[in-house]
Amino acid sequence: TQLLEQSPQFLSIQEGENLTVYCNSSSVFSSLQWYRQEPGEGPVLLVTVVTGGEVKKLKRLTFQFGDARKDSSLHITAAQPGDTGLYLCAGLLNSGGGADGLTFGKGTHLIIQP
Amino acid sequence: GAVVSQHPSWVICKSGTSVKIECRSLDFQATTMFWYRQFPKQSLMLMATSNEGSKATYEQGVEKDKFLINHASLTLSTLTVTSAHPEDSSFYICSAPLDGVSGHQPQHFGDGTRLSIL
Repeated sequence: TQLLEQSPQFLSIQEGENLTVYCNSSSVFSSLQWYRQEPGEGPVLLVTVVTGGEVKKLKRLTFQFGDARKDSSLHITAAQPGDTGLYLCAGLLNSGGGADGLTFGKGTHLIIQP
Repeated sequence: GAVVSQHPSWVICKSGTSVKIECRSLDFQATTMFWYRQFPKQSLMLMATSNEGSKATYEQGVEKDKFLINHASLTLSTLTVTSAHPEDSSFYICSAPLDGVSGHQPQHFGDGTRLSIL
């Protein structure tokens, strides 16, 4: 059972279009992080959202954490070929000060065609 | 620049060989590090939590005798894949929370080790 359902798994769109990637769960996360991963490299952090309802913007990327902290979305405006890559959402279940690894979604392979 | 360094980046070896992968935190101490495995076209799966000065914690289904973890110092964790077989071929990635303690702080990942067992 996948704890974090990420969709769509694959997305190919034209340059200039908008898109949204979703990350959903039945579990409550203390925080949720979005990463981007290039082939043969480790994931690179884009943003961390902590508070329910929180919205963060990173240039053309808008990240939102659901009010109940069970879901998140990534919206890209006017996508560019440089946005092509694998986008991963990852949730942290326990923030009690202990050490916990991240639970990752399956990822969204995004291709922006010029 | 990279805050977590992983070595080697690529290993090709024969079946039955043991392979050691190193993960180092650069310019910060990490009492905890994490090891993930990623198969082609799939996401990262947490294998184990490496704890400095104590035993590693393994996720369900991960054989602790197969994947030996040693957190030798506050900046170094090693993962040894013992008697590797072709099904162990994968992309292994380590990470460390930047402040050394988990929580809301983001994790920084190494660049991964591509392991290919012939």
